[in-house]
Amino acid sequence: SQTIHQWPATLVQPVGSPLSLECTVEGTSNPNLYWYRQAAGRGLQLLFYSVGIGQISSEVPQNLSASRPQDRQFILSSKKLLLSDSGFYLCAWSAKGNTIYFGEGSWLTVV
Amino acid sequence: GDSVTQMEGPVTLSEEAFLTINCTYTATGYPSLFWYVQYPGEGLQLLLKATKADDKGSNKGFEATYRKETTSFHLEKGSVQVSDSAVYFCALLNAGGTSYGKLTFGQGTILTVHP
Repeated sequence: SQTIHQWPATLVQPVGSPLSLECTVEGTSNPNLYWYRQAAGRGLQLLFYSVGIGQISSEVPQNLSASRPQDRQFILSSKKLLLSDSGFYLCAWSAKGNTIYFGEGSWLTVV
Repeated sequence: GDSVTQMEGPVTLSEEAFLTINCTYTATGYPSLFWYVQYPGEGLQLLLKATKADDKGSNKGFEATYRKETTSFHLEKGSVQVSDSAVYFCALLNAGGTSYGKLTFGQGTILTVHP
């Protein structure tokens, strides 16, 4: 069966520091991969999605970037964090055009 | 564009009460519909789904029916438990003939069940 893992689960970072969140999927090949952010107030916002290695689409202009160096690996990065980057970040995967499954999430607090 | 509107919360119920959380949508084409559940401090878990009109999704005593005529996908459970306390998200997936799908979420409904 397919599984998705993301890490770290929690992190506290100072303003201006870099960020790297990593996500991997097991048990499938060529998945679609997604990064969502959930800020206070529960709303979920799609940040990036990828349909293949090296193919990244950004939904919202921002301080973050994403990369997909391998088929089942998706990385969310920032060179310099802002206070407004705090939130709960969720990686997700799907087969092409199919149900989307989420990881456990990563809590980011920028101080 | 696509949109999902959920019943405003929070919803507070006693154990064994009947639950309904309303969800309506606006979309072109033929979207798939989902309910996700988020327990405190955790990611989203798929609760149930329906991929075409009149389909009924069900899981863990929860059910929802895809009603195209009323553009609705209301979540119901006959007897809630304390362990059902969580945030519930209605969502639609509209691939639009492409190879990728983007979820459109409702705002979420907080459910609290008291013993």
